[in-house]
Amino acid sequence: DTGVSQDPRHKITKRGQNVTFRCDPISEHNRLYWYRQTLGQGPEFLTYFQNEAQLEKSRLLSDRFSAERPKGSFSTLEIQRTEQGDSAMYLCASSLGLAGVSADTQYFGPGTRLTVL
Amino acid sequence: AQKITQTQPGMFVQEKEAVTLDCTYDTSDQSYGLFWYKQPSSGEMIFLIYQGSYDEQNATEGRYSLNFQKARKSANLVISASQLGDSAMYFCAMREGNSSASKIIFGSGTRLSIRP
Repeated sequence: DTGVSQDPRHKITKRGQNVTFRCDPISEHNRLYWYRQTLGQGPEFLTYFQNEAQLEKSRLLSDRFSAERPKGSFSTLEIQRTEQGDSAMYLCASSLGLAGVSADTQYFGPGTRLTVL
Repeated sequence: AQKITQTQPGMFVQEKEAVTLDCTYDTSDQSYGLFWYKQPSSGEMIFLIYQGSYDEQNATEGRYSLNFQKARKSANLVISASQLGDSAMYFCAMREGNSSASKIIFGSGTRLSIRP
């Protein structure tokens, strides 16, 4: 098992451009999460999927953000009309999705660092 | 309201010494889970240890142990015999409720630096 992978690892873009990030979870994991982490802070939850269904979205996820997991495997996070405030590390995590068990550990990928100029 | 508080922004420890990283939390739920993650400079969040609110024993994983004091709402991470590779950011996190279908909330982290 190769763990959670994310692509690209780094992205530099100009304000107003659209960007898309990809996350490949651990193969048998049903749940997939997106977080955003700014410098000096802990990760903040953005959204998560149970298989292909998007079950929760944070208020941090503005209309410019959209996430998909079309076949319940990999996921994409798109940011439209990027702003300088979008500069952050975008982390993806996956978990088995153990129902009714709070110890459903999330395993994280290496992240995509976005810089908006 | 902030749910997870890590009061130590940075710590320096001599190699081979034990170190305790503080974490306090706030929740009105009776059932919750507490996690610690390590984030080296490479950026990846590495799961270290988990403690459930109903677990009677403190969790241990190798050199990591969690000093869980429920009445004080604290979940401090203890690293024994620190190594140079332990230098990293450490995040305490919590999931409220007894369902895995809820988000994890992270603290602001503690940067640990191990001196040779």
